[in-house]
Amino acid sequence: DAKTTQPTSMDCAEGRAANLPCNHSTISGNEYVYWYRQIHSQGPQYIIHGLKNNETNEMASLIITEDRKSSTLILPHATLRDTAVYYCIVRVAGIQGAQKLVFGQGTRLTINP
Amino acid sequence: SQTIHQWPATLVQPVGSPLSLECTVEGTSNPNLYWYRQAAGRGLQLLFYSVGIGQISSEVPQNLSASRPQDRQFILSSKKLLLSDSGFYLCAWSRSGPDTQYFGPGTRLTVL
Repeated sequence: DAKTTQPTSMDCAEGRAANLPCNHSTISGNEYVYWYRQIHSQGPQYIIHGLKNNETNEMASLIITEDRKSSTLILPHATLRDTAVYYCIVRVAGIQGAQKLVFGQGTRLTINP
Repeated sequence: SQTIHQWPATLVQPVGSPLSLECTVEGTSNPNLYWYRQAAGRGLQLLFYSVGIGQISSEVPQNLSASRPQDRQFILSSKKLLLSDSGFYLCAWSRSGPDTQYFGPGTRLTVL
């Protein structure tokens, strides 16, 4: 399984853009990059995913480098409610097509007022 | 829209007692279902997944088992709990085939 490397923690001021990096240098050509976040004592929340192209939705933008060895999740205008642990995950295929998400330690993002 | 339910929300059990955690999904059919565990201060670990009724794949050998008696019901069980079984148990679902997983609210289990 491809592994990901993320900074342990980051801080960002409220209202500014939060840029969370992730390295996945061993990613294979058919593996997607997924981002989830987990607010304390809740289940992980899906944010965004991508394969090659940059992606944007109502929550965030995902920038994937051309060689696909790293990516950056961008929260354009961070709020206090964005304080959470953010997981960058490379999805691999399991038996019979079920996906397997391998979670690392993630980045603890703290948004400061 | 689809929703996923887990119960109980919290559970305190003595060592050696049995366990049964339930997960149900509404608003979809033939989902893939998953059980994860998160130990205190750790990332999520995939325990089991299922692509259909009666079909269970185990990821980590352990004191737990899973069953899928109905299409949208996934059960996590143990005959005798260990202290090391304490943790936050999360159920997730995805559409059949490789697709985004969506997580439930979780069950916090404390084994004393």
